[in-house]
Amino acid sequence: SQTIHQWPATLVQPVGSPLSLECTVEGTSNPNLYWYRQAAGRGLQLLFYSVGIGQISSEVPQNLSASRPQDRQFILSSKKLLLSDSGFYLCAWSYGRDSDTQYFGPGTRLTVL
Amino acid sequence: GESVGLHLPTLSVQEGDNSIINCAYSNSASDYFIWYKQESGKGPQFIIDIRSNMDKRQGQRVTVLLNKTVKHLSLQIAATQPGDSAVYFCAEYLSFGNEKLTFGTGTRLTIIP
Repeated sequence: SQTIHQWPATLVQPVGSPLSLECTVEGTSNPNLYWYRQAAGRGLQLLFYSVGIGQISSEVPQNLSASRPQDRQFILSSKKLLLSDSGFYLCAWSYGRDSDTQYFGPGTRLTVL
Repeated sequence: GESVGLHLPTLSVQEGDNSIINCAYSNSASDYFIWYKQESGKGPQFIIDIRSNMDKRQGQRVTVLLNKTVKHLSLQIAATQPGDSAVYFCAEYLSFGNEKLTFGTGTRLTIIP
C-alpha cells in the first residue's frame, strides 16, 4: 500500500530563518506531488506541483520554493521566512493522469514568530 | 479564475440525523469531483468521488449527488456520528487539463450529541 510522510509535524521558526519541509511517498513510482498551504479555518491553496524529478510548477509567486531531488521526495524551502508564511503545510500525491484523486500527508504546522 | 465554492461555512446536526453538505462549482468543463474530510490538525482524507457521467454515487453512509445543470454537488451523510465532526471540502478536477484540483473553502460539520 502507499503511504505519505511529512516532517516535521510541527515547527516554530523566527522571522528571517530558513525553512525545509520534507515529504516522501512510499509504495508507488513516478507520482505527481503537490504542496498546499492552509491558513487557519480556510481552504487549501496550491503552492507547487511536480509531475517528475526536477519538474516543478509554481502556482503562487511568494517566498517559497520547491524541489524534487528524487522520484518520491518533495521538499518545500524558504531562504527567509516571513510572518505570513505561518500555516499548515500539506503534501499530497496522485497517480497522475490516469487517476485524479490526491492523497494527503499528515501535514506540518509552521509558526513563524 | 474559476473556483469551487460552498453554500454554508458551518453546519450543526443532531447525532443520528442525516446531514447534507452543498457545493457549487463554476467550471462547467470539470469532469471529476471529490469530497474530502479533514479532522482538526490532520490532512484531508478522501471520502468519495464522482465523475461527470454519473449523477449519484453511494459509499458507506455517504452519498454524493451531482447536478450538472446547475453545477451543484452535495454530500449526504446518513445517521451521523460524533466522528463525522470535521471540515468537509469539495474539489473539482478537469481531466487532461492542468492536473490540479480546485478546492472549495470547506464546511465545518458539528455533530450534536
